[in-house]
Amino acid sequence: DAGVTQSPTHLIKTRGQQVTLRCSPKSGHDTVSWYQQALGQGPQFIFQYYEEEERQRGNFPDRFSGHQFPNYSSELNVNALLLGDSALYLCASSLGQRTYEQYFGPGTRLTVT
Amino acid sequence: GESVGLHLPTLSVQEGDNSIINCAYSNSASDYFIWYKQESGKGPQFIIDIRSNMDKRQGQRVTVLLNKTVKHLSLQIAATQPGDSAVYFCAEMFTGTTDSWGKFQFGAGTQVVVTP
Repeated sequence: DAGVTQSPTHLIKTRGQQVTLRCSPKSGHDTVSWYQQALGQGPQFIFQYYEEEERQRGNFPDRFSGHQFPNYSSELNVNALLLGDSALYLCASSLGQRTYEQYFGPGTRLTVT
Repeated sequence: GESVGLHLPTLSVQEGDNSIINCAYSNSASDYFIWYKQESGKGPQFIIDIRSNMDKRQGQRVTVLLNKTVKHLSLQIAATQPGDSAVYFCAEMFTGTTDSWGKFQFGAGTQVVVTP
């Protein structure tokens, strides 16, 4: 039973560029949430996707956008990258929008130079 | 804004001893809490959860205590093992409205170091 997978593992981008991160949820899960985790901090909720729509959103600017595909996988897009966007980006999946337990992937380490 | 925080950034524990990790939350409306464990290079792993209608919940070697009066949450790990070395996060959520569902708010984390 495959857990949550994310790609790529590491990524280096230049300020102003755009980036796309990918997530495949745990088998049987249909809801994907994205988090940003700065070094030494707890994860910060970005948004959640369910039924291919953004259902919840945290306090992140519109530069952060996402998408969910019919197979429940998801992408996180960040435009006009800033140095402060450097972080570990975590994807978490769950079954149903109103479930408590989320399973996290290993994350994508994004470095913006 | 309101946030979840932890009292101790680093906790050093001798192998075999019990560990207690504390967490203060400021949103009195939060009604669901989770403890996560994050090992180096991995995503957070669910340990145990508790709802606000409970004050104690036990799992395998772990116990979570919730004191709503002082808005305090703790995680107790019995007979701490080297494999327990990790960063521990508490997270809170208010489940009462559609807008709040899924919006977990995490604390900064406590690094637990288990010494032989």
